[in-house]
Amino acid sequence: DAGVIQSPRHEVTEMGQEVTLRCKPISGHNSLFWYRQTMMRGLELLIYFNNNVPIDDSGMPEDRFSAKMPNASFSTLKIQPSEPRDSAVYFCASSGQGLILSGNTIYFGEGSWLTVV
Amino acid sequence: GNSVTQMEGPVTLSEEAFLTINCTYTATGYPSLFWYVQYPGEGLQLLLKATKADDKGSNKGFEATYRKETTSFHLEKGSVQVSDSAVYFCALGFGNEKLTFGTGTRLTIIP
Repeated sequence: DAGVIQSPRHEVTEMGQEVTLRCKPISGHNSLFWYRQTMMRGLELLIYFNNNVPIDDSGMPEDRFSAKMPNASFSTLKIQPSEPRDSAVYFCASSGQGLILSGNTIYFGEGSWLTVV
Repeated sequence: GNSVTQMEGPVTLSEEAFLTINCTYTATGYPSLFWYVQYPGEGLQLLLKATKADDKGSNKGFEATYRKETTSFHLEKGSVQVSDSAVYFCALGFGNEKLTFGTGTRLTIIP
């Protein structure tokens, strides 16, 4: 398996533009997570889905952020309009059958490095 | 709520030194515990994990033991290499829920 695939790997955009980040989870995994990493706040969970349904979106910073998972093999994280403070690395991750007590592993993509100028 | 507290970084060691990165957690119940590693410019990779008390996770010379009595999961390696330079994250997880991560510890190994 190719692992979790994210695109784009790098994006530079102007303030006010719409940004769409894409993620393809590992085939067969039924949980998908979007994380944001910054120097100031470290790694933050934005939202996670189980069986394509959003379970916890309490980490989504504000209404400018939205995430969808239309099917088991694809998810998007959209920022509209983007602001300079949204500059960060956005990671998508997936796991199989959720995090059961036997310790199922979350697998991370390589991240989308976003710069908003 | 659940939380993970990690040793503040950055940590700088000479090659072949002994490494310990402390991690303690607060949780209701008995989580699974994880160490993830992030190399420069890359995503997080699972380094090791433990699912119950007294379990020892190990990988690439790294070890961590799940200590329920001290709610700890300290990461150790007997002899570090330059290639171990990275950011290390301790994390806990329950059932069908998200992982809770620590803030990360940056490790630099000097030749």
